[in-house]
Amino acid sequence: NAGVTQTPKFQVLKTGQSMTLQCAQDMNHNSMYWYRQDPGMGLRLIYYSASEGTTDKGEVPNGYNVSRLNKREFSLRLESAAPSQTSVYFCASSADRGGQTQYFGPGTRLLVL
Amino acid sequence: AQSVTQLDSQVPVFEEAPVELRCNYSSSVSVYLFWYVQYPNQGLQLLLKYLSGSTLVKSINGFEAEFNKSQTSFHLRKPSVHISDTAEYFCAVTYSGGYQKVTFGTGTKLQVIP
Repeated sequence: NAGVTQTPKFQVLKTGQSMTLQCAQDMNHNSMYWYRQDPGMGLRLIYYSASEGTTDKGEVPNGYNVSRLNKREFSLRLESAAPSQTSVYFCASSADRGGQTQYFGPGTRLLVL
Repeated sequence: AQSVTQLDSQVPVFEEAPVELRCNYSSSVSVYLFWYVQYPNQGLQLLLKYLSGSTLVKSINGFEAEFNKSQTSFHLRKPSVHISDTAEYFCAVTYSGGYQKVTFGTGTKLQVIP
C-alpha cells in the first residue's frame, strides 16, 4: 500500500504561471483534504471533499481550485500563482467522519518567484 | 468555531528528561482530539487520539495525553524523551458527531538535546 501520494515533490513557478498538484490515495477513503503549511501558522485547510463528487471551501480557498476526479484522486490547481502561495502543500485522506484519522502525503514544496 | 491553541512554539529538553506539550481547545460541544507528529521533511502522522471513554490515551512509543474537559486541555506528555522524538507536534480538534473539518494548532517543535 502506497497510502497517500503527491506529485510533484518540488516545484518552482514564476508569478502568474499555473500548475496542478496531484494527490491520490489507495485506502478507499471517502474524504480528502488539501492543506498548506507555513511557518508559525500550522496547517490551514484550503479545500476538502467529503465524498466523490463534492468539494467545499476550507479556511484559505482564495487563489485555488480543486477537482475530485474520482474516489482516489483529488487535485489542487493554482490558476495564477502568487508569491504568497509559496508554501508546503499536503494532501490527506480519511475514512469518513470527523473522528477518523487523517493520513497525509509527503508534501509538495512550492516556491513562487 | 472550534480552535486550538499551542502556546509553546518550541520546547527544548534534555534527553531522558520528561516533557509536556500544551494544547488547549475552545468548543461548546463534544469534541474529538488528536496529536499528530511531523518528522523533518515528512507529512504528519497520527500519534494518538481521544474519541470517548478513558480520558487518558497512550501511543505505542511512550507518549500519553489526558483529556480534561473542565480545563479544555489535551496536553501531551512523555516521562523520558529520546533523540528520535525530535519533531514538530500538532494538536487538532474536531466536533464529534457528523462530518466535521479538523482544525490544527500552530505546532510545537520539540528539540531533544543530547
